[in-house]
Amino acid sequence: DQQVKQNSPSLSVQEGRISILNCDYTNSMFDYFLWYKKYPAEGPTFLISISSIKDKNEDGRFTVFLNKSAKHLSLHIVPSQPGDSAVYFCVGWDFGNEKLTFGTGTRLTIIP
Amino acid sequence: DSGVTQTPKHLITATGQRVTLRCSPRSGDLSVYWYQQSLDQGLQFLIQYYNGEERAKGNILERFSAQQFPDLHSELNLSSLELGDSALYFCASSAGQDNSPLHFGNGTRLTVT
Repeated sequence: DQQVKQNSPSLSVQEGRISILNCDYTNSMFDYFLWYKKYPAEGPTFLISISSIKDKNEDGRFTVFLNKSAKHLSLHIVPSQPGDSAVYFCVGWDFGNEKLTFGTGTRLTIIP
Repeated sequence: DSGVTQTPKHLITATGQRVTLRCSPRSGDLSVYWYQQSLDQGLQFLIQYYNGEERAKGNILERFSAQQFPDLHSELNLSSLELGDSALYFCASSAGQDNSPLHFGNGTRLTVT
């Protein structure tokens, strides 16, 4: 049972445009959601998070939106830059069970 | 179920001790990654193995070591444990190509007292 789903394995966006990465989840027990970015041959690095009691969190070019009723979150990157090309992971965090559940990732390619 | 198995699920030990965490990757996956997740530092990449050989190294302490065996399972050894080593340790596996997705295990919760 894939509790965190990233249905788009890849996404290509023109430099300067908006990148939107989507994530759906099924576990209503998640207290927090996080996004990680991963470059080849490196571990994932933390990008941004959002509490389940909020619907938006913004940090520079990155904004995460949470729609609890739809069990959907999205990461917006504006404007997209070549250095944003990486794999992005959506993660659900269940504090009570001390469990992190990762999506399988979306590969974002920014086209110069 | 990601297909990645980590044992044990929980581990409680004392400072100065040594523990071994085990990871069995998804069937067919050649690459194994180890991560440490602590509350204040997020997910930290430790080390990656591909088909038995070390491929990439991250923020892994000298007190920590890992290996990947011929059957592709991997072990993470943590020695001279300190209180600050208490964390969730994740293993992930992938087919090994740069664009292959990572499949994460459920983690091992290590508590050092």
